[in-house]
Amino acid sequence: DAKTTQPTSMDCAEGRAANLPCNHSTISGNEYVYWYRQIHSQGPQYIIHGLKNNETNEMASLIITEDRKSSTLILPHATLRDTAVYYCIVRRNFGNEKLTFGTGTRLTIIP
Amino acid sequence: DVKVTQSSRYLVKRTGEKVFLECVQDMDHENMFWYRQDPGLGLRLIYFSYDVKMKEKGDIPEGYSVSREKKERFSLILESASTNQTSMYLCASTNQDRGHNEQFFGPGTRLTVL
Repeated sequence: DAKTTQPTSMDCAEGRAANLPCNHSTISGNEYVYWYRQIHSQGPQYIIHGLKNNETNEMASLIITEDRKSSTLILPHATLRDTAVYYCIVRRNFGNEKLTFGTGTRLTIIP
Repeated sequence: DVKVTQSSRYLVKRTGEKVFLECVQDMDHENMFWYRQDPGLGLRLIYFSYDVKMKEKGDIPEGYSVSREKKERFSLILESASTNQTSMYLCASTNQDRGHNEQFFGPGTRLTVL
């Protein structure tokens, strides 16, 4: 799997958009970008994934650059419940493919 | 709503005990995984299963075994618990669909071995 680089921590004001960057400069053509988050003492939660087009769901938006070497996860209106560690992962889209989490970005939403 | 459940949130065992961690999913998923998560080491795969009675070793299978007798249930067994197996254990499941195989996780079991 390609490696990813994320900032160690970020703060965001409640109600504002949280933009979490991720670099994945060695991503292969058949690898997807996945985002998970982990709230303290809970299991990881899937957020969104994409290949090359921008994606949006009820939780977030994913913007992938045209060269696919970086992406940004956007939480449009951050709430205190969005405080968590966010993991950016690149992986092939096979069901039996394991997940490998790095250290992620610790996002703190400030009231 | 998708559900992966684990038998215990917190467990305390003694060195040498046999420990069973149970995981159940209600999504009819083919694939199930056991990970452990430790500070500074991220998520590490212990074992996974892609079908009933099938299992594959992950990155750190030593000291563990697994059982998958039914599609919805995947058990992790510590044959003789040791203190270095104190960790957060996470179960996950996913289907084989190429387009949508995000892994769904259980809440985790925090195991302490004394």
